Amino acid sequence: AQTVTQSQPEMSVQEAETVTLSCTYDTSESDYYLFWYKQPPSRQMILVIRQEAYKQQNATENRFSVNFQKAAKSFSLKISDSQLGDAAMYFCAYNVDSNYQLIWGAGTKLIIKP
Amino acid sequence: GAGVSQSPRYKVAKRGQDVALRCDPISGHVSLFWYQQALGQGPEFLTYFQNEAQLDKSGLPSDRFFAERPEGSVSTLKIQRTQQEDSAVYLCASSLAGTLGNQPQHFGDGTRLSIL
Repeated sequence: AQTVTQSQPEMSVQEAETVTLSCTYDTSESDYYLFWYKQPPSRQMILVIRQEAYKQQNATENRFSVNFQKAAKSFSLKISDSQLGDAAMYFCAYNVDSNYQLIWGAGTKLIIKP
Repeated sequence: GAGVSQSPRYKVAKRGQDVALRCDPISGHVSLFWYQQALGQGPEFLTYFQNEAQLDKSGLPSDRFFAERPEGSVSTLKIQRTQQEDSAVYLCASSLAGTLGNQPQHFGDGTRLSIL
């Protein structure tokens, strides 16, 4: 079965510090796409960062970067210089190249301490 | 341009009533998805449209759930004879893609449905 595991239900970090959210997944496919989405209390699911499995280089988007370990099936999200506006639920998800269905983790609640 | 728009934002209904939830995707997006998100959980797939064709409805939990997208744009998710377990946030997403997974999905704000 295809699954996504986020082992940290909640994480907290001091403003301006760095935090890493973990995600592991299980698939037998070789071509797939990995995503981190952010869901603030407003509920809109916002795409944070995206990684193609065939690319070895880790994706980065400003303060957000990933550590993609394909052999270990690990896809962690690093947030640098944390800001109050980063507080939200963060969901890891993936889909395979041949299928549109996103498989989601249960989410990690990120708390930013001022 | 405008993002995915969902209405209503909140819906309260009595058990047994029918409800209809609307999704207006990003203009030009071929694919449209409905998800159900229970409190404290990740979204779960309900159904998928490519233009007006419903290609996958495997996630619909029962025959009380029905979705349509008659003109390949706006979609409506209808729930008949609502039950308390239907209480959840219903998310709509759209993407440029067809059936391939290489395009990100863009989400609306969701409709929070509460069944009393």
